[in-house]
Amino acid sequence: GNSVTQMEGPVTLSEEAFLTINCTYTATGYPSLFWYVQYPGEGLQLLLKATKADDKGSNKGFEATYRKETTSFHLEKGSVQVSDSAVYFCALSPLTGAQKLVFGQGTRLTINP
Amino acid sequence: DTAVSQTPKYLVTQMGNDKSIKCEQNLGHDTMYWYKQDSKKFLKIMFSYNNKELIINETVPNRFSPKSPDKAHLNLHINSLELGDSAVYFCASSQDGGAVEQYFGPGTRLTVT
Repeated sequence: GNSVTQMEGPVTLSEEAFLTINCTYTATGYPSLFWYVQYPGEGLQLLLKATKADDKGSNKGFEATYRKETTSFHLEKGSVQVSDSAVYFCALSPLTGAQKLVFGQGTRLTINP
Repeated sequence: DTAVSQTPKYLVTQMGNDKSIKCEQNLGHDTMYWYKQDSKKFLKIMFSYNNKELIINETVPNRFSPKSPDKAHLNLHINSLELGDSAVYFCASSQDGGAVEQYFGPGTRLTVT
């Protein structure tokens, strides 16, 4: 079946540090991959996405590359800010069948000034 | 303008009661979803409707019954509430066709006492 595994949190970094949140997936075929972010007390917002192998999604300084050979979609940012503190979810949407998002367990990120 | 709205934002009720959560989207999307987020932030799909037709029902107890009066609305009715139903419930919507972005509402925090 389809599943997503993220690195366990919580992750705590200092401002301007480099961020990596690991995400690997198991799926039939080549799903679309997403990163969503949930700020405290809010719903989820799409951060970036990639729909085929070697695609790079990017937004607000965050990047993730769809790696078919390692079934991964790691999230990176070169210099984090306090405002990046949130919970980050990696998710996949299967290529076939009914549309749905399969989420990883979420990684809580805290950035200290 | 809010794209996906949910009411109420908070719901506190006693075991055994029946309650409803309402969701509306003004994005003109054809597909709507309900997700449940547990206390550990894990998100799992419950239902999906496409043009008022149920297309996903992920082994959710019969006490949960979604209702879609039109494609802009998807309500969730829960009978005989149990302590384990306490969670945050998110509504989402997406356009048809392939693995596309889903837009999430702000969530409804349900607490069953």
